[in-house]
Amino acid sequence: AQSVTQPDIHITVSEGASLELRCNYSYGATPYLFWYVQSPGQGLQLLLKYFSGDTLVQGIKGFEAEFKRSQSSFNLRKPSVHWSDAAEYFCAVGVTGGGNKLTFGTGTQLKVEL
Amino acid sequence: DGGITQSPKYLFRKEGQNVTLSCEQNLNHDAMYWYRQDPGQGLRLIYYSQIVNDFQKGDIAEGYSVSREKKESFPLTVTSAQKNPTAFYLCASSIRGGTNTGELFFGEGSRLTVL
Repeated sequence: AQSVTQPDIHITVSEGASLELRCNYSYGATPYLFWYVQSPGQGLQLLLKYFSGDTLVQGIKGFEAEFKRSQSSFNLRKPSVHWSDAAEYFCAVGVTGGGNKLTFGTGTQLKVEL
Repeated sequence: DGGITQSPKYLFRKEGQNVTLSCEQNLNHDAMYWYRQDPGQGLRLIYYSQIVNDFQKGDIAEGYSVSREKKESFPLTVTSAQKNPTAFYLCASSIRGGTNTGELFFGEGSRLTVL
């Protein structure tokens, strides 16, 4: 079965600094990969997704992620963080023939210092 | 505006009581899902439905039940058999497909607290 690991539970960055959130997956074939963001007490919003093609994916709010097959990773990046980016971020993986069921990581809580 | 509506947003229940969480979508999506979220555990799939009158168990279905009588509605019942029901519950929907080509759209969640 597929799995997702987000090794960082909490990350704190200063406003204006760059950000990288790590995500590693386990799956035998090419997965479908997603990053979602959740504000406190709210649902999840899709930031970006990778299905195939270009391994560098652009998303909303200035985020991007790079799929690296050799490292089984799909790290999320942003060159300059804004205070409004403080939230919890979830990486998720879907598999071929799995319908749209996703397996989620445990999340990374981002704090932004002003 | 199209979207997913979950109600109630907050719910308190006494031990031994069943409670039903509502999920309605007007996105014309075929598939709907229920996830449970606990701190530090991410989201875990409870039940999902790819089409009306059909649903399947997810990873943690014990103590829960669902129905899918209408395309736009997918209510979740938390029964008294669920040993630890206090959690944040998220409903989602997606365009049905044979392969995973769609994203999930989420509601704003329902927080259930057992007293």
